[in-house]
Amino acid sequence: LAKTTQPISMDSYEGQEVNITCSHNNIATNDYITWYQQFPSQGPRFIIQGYKTKVTNEVASLFIPADRKSSTLSLPRVSLSDTAVYYCLRGNDYKLSFGAGTTVTVRA
Amino acid sequence: GAGVSQSPSNKVTEKGKDVELRCDPISGHTALYWYRQSLGQGLEFLIYFQGNSAPDKSGLPSDRFSAERTGGSVSTLTIQRTQQEDSAVYLCASSLAGWVSADTQYFGPGTRLTVL
Repeated sequence: LAKTTQPISMDSYEGQEVNITCSHNNIATNDYITWYQQFPSQGPRFIIQGYKTKVTNEVASLFIPADRKSSTLSLPRVSLSDTAVYYCLRGNDYKLSFGAGTTVTVRA
Repeated sequence: GAGVSQSPSNKVTEKGKDVELRCDPISGHTALYWYRQSLGQGLEFLIYFQGNSAPDKSGLPSDRFSAERTGGSVSTLTIQRTQQEDSAVYLCASSLAGWVSADTQYFGPGTRLTVL
């Protein structure tokens, strides 16, 4: 079964950039990589999705190297409200594989 | 517009009882997903529906778990003879097209199940 690995936690301060890297072995040719954000007692919420190279939206950037064996979510200038758990997701034959989640704590 | 809704929001049951958890997806979404999230843990994928059909049920933890979807809309996750290890938050998500890897999933608030 495909495995998705990401760091357990990361600490940061307001205004800093946070980068979270997810490793995904055996990623399939048709797999996209998606990142979700989850606050306590809520369902996850979509942040960004990509296939290769770099994708940017109003919230984050996603960097995926040519071999696609990893992806890096970049949160620019974080604020206290960005404190949450961040998950990366890749799909594989209907067996979706979420990472275990990275708890990002932003301090003032 | 309305998002994904789940009911009940909380369910407390006794060990050995059966429970049914309901998910109402966003109107028009063809794909529906069930996940389990144990306390302090990540998301465990359980099952995916494309329309009323589930291509692969091997993600369900045991034969006590079953799921169905009718009319391409509402889905029910049933847990028979509940055990304490079934205690968790059960999350449902839906997506528009159903290509599992590329589709944005919209999650409901979850049902918190407690088995005493």
